[in-house]
Amino acid sequence: EPEVTQTPSHQVTQMGQEVILRCVPISNHLYFYWYRQILGQKVEFLVSFYNNEISEKSEIFDDQFSVERPDGSNFTLKIRSTKLEDSIMYFCASSEEPGYEANTIYFGEGSWLTVV
Amino acid sequence: ELKVEQNPLFLSMQEGKNYTIYCNYSTTSDRLYWYRQDPGKSLESLFVLLSNGAVKQEGRLMASLDTKARLSTLHITAAVHDLSATYFCAVEGWDGGSQGNLIFGKGTKLSVKP
Repeated sequence: EPEVTQTPSHQVTQMGQEVILRCVPISNHLYFYWYRQILGQKVEFLVSFYNNEISEKSEIFDDQFSVERPDGSNFTLKIRSTKLEDSIMYFCASSEEPGYEANTIYFGEGSWLTVV
Repeated sequence: ELKVEQNPLFLSMQEGKNYTIYCNYSTTSDRLYWYRQDPGKSLESLFVLLSNGAVKQEGRLMASLDTKARLSTLHITAAVHDLSATYFCAVEGWDGGSQGNLIFGKGTKLSVKP
């Protein structure tokens, strides 16, 4: 079964450093997303990306964050200057174009970021 | 503001018993999703329910959607230990723009005991 893959699975970084989280969405999918989750708790939407641009973003997704699809396969989330409160699990997700009845949104295994 | 409320948040069941998890949402939405999450793992898609009130079943799990009541249920039949996980419902925060902005409930942590 096709899957969304994320790297790294866990990253430890110093406060103030830049971090890039990488994702490879499912190959025929056109919509890409980033979500975050405090361990075992509520899942929060960050941003959606379609046709090489951000289509929607939440209040959480401020100037500290950016997304990019640099090479047609990877989808990245950059956090420019990490803060302690950025220590959280980040999930990448992807889906087919809207209109398909079974338009499931598939999630990756997550990247756990620890800011020290 | 779109709200998604699940209850109960914690559920301890005995094997073989039936139970229902409820998901209320506060506004109209095109789709409702149910996900399962094991500790430290990804969100596994269980069901996508469209606004036509579809009922879907997979093994011991059955999900339904009542769009008038803005209520979805996830019914567990004859629970087994393997169903122990956290179950999330989510609704698209549709604002006429892009899809996929899912608003999640807080999750229901299910523990099935022998």
